[in-house]
Amino acid sequence: EDQVTQSPEALRLQEGESSSLNCSYTVSGLRGLFWYRQDPGKGPEFLFTLYSAGEEKEKERLKATLTKKESFLHITAPKPEDSATYLCAVQAINFGNEKLTFGTGTRLTIIP
Amino acid sequence: NAGVTQTPKFRILKIGQSMTLQCAQDMNHNYMYWYRQDPGMGLKLIYYSVGAGITDKGEVPNGYNVSRSTTEDFPLRLELAAPSQTSVYFCASSSGPGSGNTIYFGEGSWLTVV
Repeated sequence: EDQVTQSPEALRLQEGESSSLNCSYTVSGLRGLFWYRQDPGKGPEFLFTLYSAGEEKEKERLKATLTKKESFLHITAPKPEDSATYLCAVQAINFGNEKLTFGTGTRLTIIP
Repeated sequence: NAGVTQTPKFRILKIGQSMTLQCAQDMNHNYMYWYRQDPGMGLKLIYYSVGAGITDKGEVPNGYNVSRSTTEDFPLRLELAAPSQTSVYFCASSSGPGSGNTIYFGEGSWLTVV
């Protein structure tokens, strides 16, 4: 059974204090790993898709990396508007979007 | 710039009542999904559809029904509501089934069954 574990559950950072969120996964062959951002009272918003170990993608202050067992979402010099819950999900080979396995998320708070 | 639109945003149901959560998308996506999100749990797929007239069960379909008569609309029906169905429901869509097809989510419907 595919599994996704995100850590920490919650993280509080001062504005400008860089850190990383972790997504550990087990899957029977990875087709894609996804990162989403979810603001309170809103639906998840797509950030990145990673396909193979060693791949990296960046968007503003966020950089996502992937190994064979985990993915990291690095946040550099965060601002208060980066406060949100960040979700990770995996898709296994031979399956489509109907078989995504989501983690429970990391709730990130950036303090001004 | 609507994307995926869900109604209602909030609803309180009594045990045993029925209701329909509405979902519409304006991106001409063939694939549509219903998820539920419970505290401390990851998003779970209830039902999905690969096109008009075609639906299939996801991971947690019990107590729900769906239909897909048009490409745009994918309503979720709750029959005989139970407290276990108290949750946040998200409708989503994508242009295709694969990892390269981004899933776009609606803003959610908060349902409480009392």
